[in-house]
Amino acid sequence: SQQGEEDPQALSIQEGENATMNCSYKTSINNLQWYRQNSGRGLVHLILIRSNEREKHSGRLRVTLDTSKKSSSLLITASRAADTASYFCAQYSSASKIIFGSGTRLSIRP
Amino acid sequence: DARVTQTPRHKVTEMGQEVTMRCQPILGHNTVFWYRQTMMQGLELLAYFRNRAPLDDSGMPKDRFSAEMPDATLATLKIQPSEPRDSAVYFCASGPGTFQPQHFGDGTRLSIL
Repeated sequence: SQQGEEDPQALSIQEGENATMNCSYKTSINNLQWYRQNSGRGLVHLILIRSNEREKHSGRLRVTLDTSKKSSSLLITASRAADTASYFCAQYSSASKIIFGSGTRLSIRP
Repeated sequence: DARVTQTPRHKVTEMGQEVTMRCQPILGHNTVFWYRQTMMQGLELLAYFRNRAPLDDSGMPKDRFSAEMPDATLATLKIQPSEPRDSAVYFCASGPGTFQPQHFGDGTRLSIL
């Protein structure tokens, strides 16, 4: 399998709480991107973080990157029902390889 | 909003039949990707093109799969002959470059009986 690793596989939280998802990779990267997928739909790009960046923000999203540990995390603050979806990280390696993680299924309870 | 369009959205056919999936990338995007998504394997990159030339098709089973871009507005993925293990959702995505954010279509859900 070409999948990268993500954890947790599934996460259920109360509306208003924060959600954190983690992604690990094995090769050197050019950048790492996070995508969201709603049921039955294609993926939607959320945020891109370059290999020389450590943190990036976009609205309620915060992404961190630790190249020494080859890991990244996505934090969604003040979650809403509409955040219910699967979230994927995608590693864009320096060798022009693209590897998506196995995904985290996020459920927001009202 | 510009969108990636995939047809058909659903396809059910019998084993051994040829299957053709089509994709219209976003105008101006020079990079087009084909992915396959299954519960077991997740999202796998099959092939991608830049400026209509294949850059990497190492993820694609070459004996039965083929991908082409006859022109800048059309990308095709063919399976011949199809097998039950090809059942999956196939996504096309386009972007302004290999390392840039990709825009995904809503996929073709393929079932091979």
